[in-house]
Amino acid sequence: KQEVTQIPAALSVPEGENLVLNCSFTDSAIYNLQWFRQDPGKGLTSLLLIQSSQREQTSGRLNASLDKSSGRSTLYIAASQPGDSATYLCAVDSGNTPLVFGKGTRLSVIA
Amino acid sequence: DTGVSQDPRHKITKRGQNVTFRCDPISEHNRLYWYRQTLGQGPEFLTYFQNEAQLEKSRLLSDRFSAERPKGSFSTLEIQRTEQGDSAMYLCASSSTMGPGNEQFFGPGTRLTVL
Repeated sequence: KQEVTQIPAALSVPEGENLVLNCSFTDSAIYNLQWFRQDPGKGLTSLLLIQSSQREQTSGRLNASLDKSSGRSTLYIAASQPGDSATYLCAVDSGNTPLVFGKGTRLSVIA
Repeated sequence: DTGVSQDPRHKITKRGQNVTFRCDPISEHNRLYWYRQTLGQGPEFLTYFQNEAQLEKSRLLSDRFSAERPKGSFSTLEIQRTEQGDSAMYLCASSSTMGPGNEQFFGPGTRLTVL
């Protein structure tokens, strides 16, 4: 059974810092991995999707990497801004199946 | 393309009542998913459809829960005889098996409070 863990559970950084969020999964036979952002009381916004054949994806200040063999993904946020404050969720699709989510990392960027 | 929409956004009900939620997926998306999220947790899978066929149901989906997608477009999730433990955010997502990687797009959710 696939399990997804996100570390740290919460993170507070000053504005302008670069930061890394971590995601690990127990079964390396994945189809894809998605990173989402969730604002309080809201739905999920898809940030990046990495297919199993890819090693990284970039969108603006965000860069996500995938290492299937070690069961890890990282989300790198460059030059953080207060508007980046949200919960970031990692989710794994193990083969064209419903997503298995981690519990998320709650990020606060302090101005 | 208007994105995934859900209705209502909020629902307050008394224990024992029935509730029904609606989800309208992105047009042309053939897959539709329902997830449930409680405070401080990631979303948990409930069920999903490919076109009008319900392909998988989680063990979380008790007999009091039923979902339909009658014409392969919108879907409804009904909870009968609600319990306080049903209080959660109910999220709907859609995807296209024709697109790269089966990327899922989520709606704003329906927050259910059972008193």
